[in-house]
Amino acid sequence: DSGVTQTPKHLITATGQRVTLRCSPRSGDLSVYWYQQSLDQGLQFLIQYYNGEERAKGNILERFSAQQFPDLHSELNLSSLELGDSALYFCASSGPTGRTEAFFGQGTRLTVV
Amino acid sequence: DAKTTQPNSMESNEEEPVHLPCNHSTISGTDYIHWYRQLPSQGPEYVIHGLTSNVNNRMASLAIAEDRKSSTLILHRATLRDAAVYYCILRDETSGTYKYIFGTGTRLKVLA
Repeated sequence: DSGVTQTPKHLITATGQRVTLRCSPRSGDLSVYWYQQSLDQGLQFLIQYYNGEERAKGNILERFSAQQFPDLHSELNLSSLELGDSALYFCASSGPTGRTEAFFGQGTRLTVV
Repeated sequence: DAKTTQPNSMESNEEEPVHLPCNHSTISGTDYIHWYRQLPSQGPEYVIHGLTSNVNNRMASLAIAEDRKSSTLILHRATLRDAAVYYCILRDETSGTYKYIFGTGTRLKVLA
């Protein structure tokens, strides 16, 4: 158990819909990262938050947004969903410096039909 | 972000040592070398990391070349549970973002 909790584990939704994925980081970790993993692609970095503020952005679509709340949990919002958004979405958390390791959740498997 | 190069796949026999190489010729002085692995249907799992000196932990050893342009993850006795995709990642200590950029990794197959 990494200590990072992601909900829900599975999500099936229709094209055009909007979903919210939730991540609770390990206790004390200030950084939260979101990744997308499709079958034909590796782990794609989407976005990072540090203590409530956006710190880095990767290949995140404009239809996607995220935020980190004062209690440090984070949500990834995916809207106007397309079939190609079907993927595993991972959240990770880490301590405040680059020399600390990150811990990943078990992921949310999103299926868009 | 500095890039890493790893072989696409490797095979090892069970209970034998495995050396997984990683090239990072554009590494900067402040980049930490991190290794993660991803077992089937699971999130990536931290293995080990280091800056300049060789590192050991209960899972593996990390050997870093003197010029830091390459490193090797060493699994001392591979087991079937070590079959996974192994990622070598450079993480900049000074950028303030510390984001992990994953490459394609090395898929390790362990033969019984």
